[in-house]
Amino acid sequence: AQKVTQAQTEISVVEKEDVTLDCVYETRDTTYYLFWYKQPPSGELVFLIRRNSFDEQNEISGRYSWNFQKSTSSFNFTITASQVVDSAVYFCALSDLGDTGFQKLVFGTGTRLLVSP
Amino acid sequence: EAGVAQSPRYKIIEKRQSVAFWCNPISGHATLYWYQQILGQGPKLLIQFQNNGVVDDSQLPKDRFSAERLKGVDSTLKIQPAKLEDSAVYLCASSPKDRYNEQFFGPGTRLTVL
Repeated sequence: AQKVTQAQTEISVVEKEDVTLDCVYETRDTTYYLFWYKQPPSGELVFLIRRNSFDEQNEISGRYSWNFQKSTSSFNFTITASQVVDSAVYFCALSDLGDTGFQKLVFGTGTRLLVSP
Repeated sequence: EAGVAQSPRYKIIEKRQSVAFWCNPISGHATLYWYQQILGQGPKLLIQFQNNGVVDDSQLPKDRFSAERLKGVDSTLKIQPAKLEDSAVYLCASSPKDRYNEQFFGPGTRLTVL
């Protein structure tokens, strides 16, 4: 069965600190996709990144970086030099074929990040 | 390109009342999803349509929830009768045919059941 675990419920940091959000996943499929979404107070889910299971290269996009490790079933997200605008709830998600044969997106419970000035 | 549209944005009803939400996906997107997001939790898939057919409704409480996607375009989700535990944000998403991993989310409808 698919499962995504985000053990950190809430993280508080001061601006300019680096912060890492953890994500651990479970799936029986060998082909799957991992995602990170940002949900600011406005409520809309903002797509940040998608990785497929065959691409373990880490990725950097500006202040954001992602560390995908299949050996530990983890897909962690790091924000470097955090800013107040980074305050939001961040969701890790997994998509695989599941039981229907169609890709099904399963979300973790989210990590609330609070960045104070 | 216009995004996924949802209405209303907010709705307050009393328990046992009925409510309906509307979603218009991105033009040309074959797959449409309804998610329920309870406060403090991640979104949970309620139902997935491929064109106007249901692909997955395994987590839809069918005794009170119903959804349809007539003509394979926009969709409505209905709750009848509502319970207190239905208070949540209902998110609609759509994805292009054969690119199921590219889900675009709407702004959601926040439902409060009193």
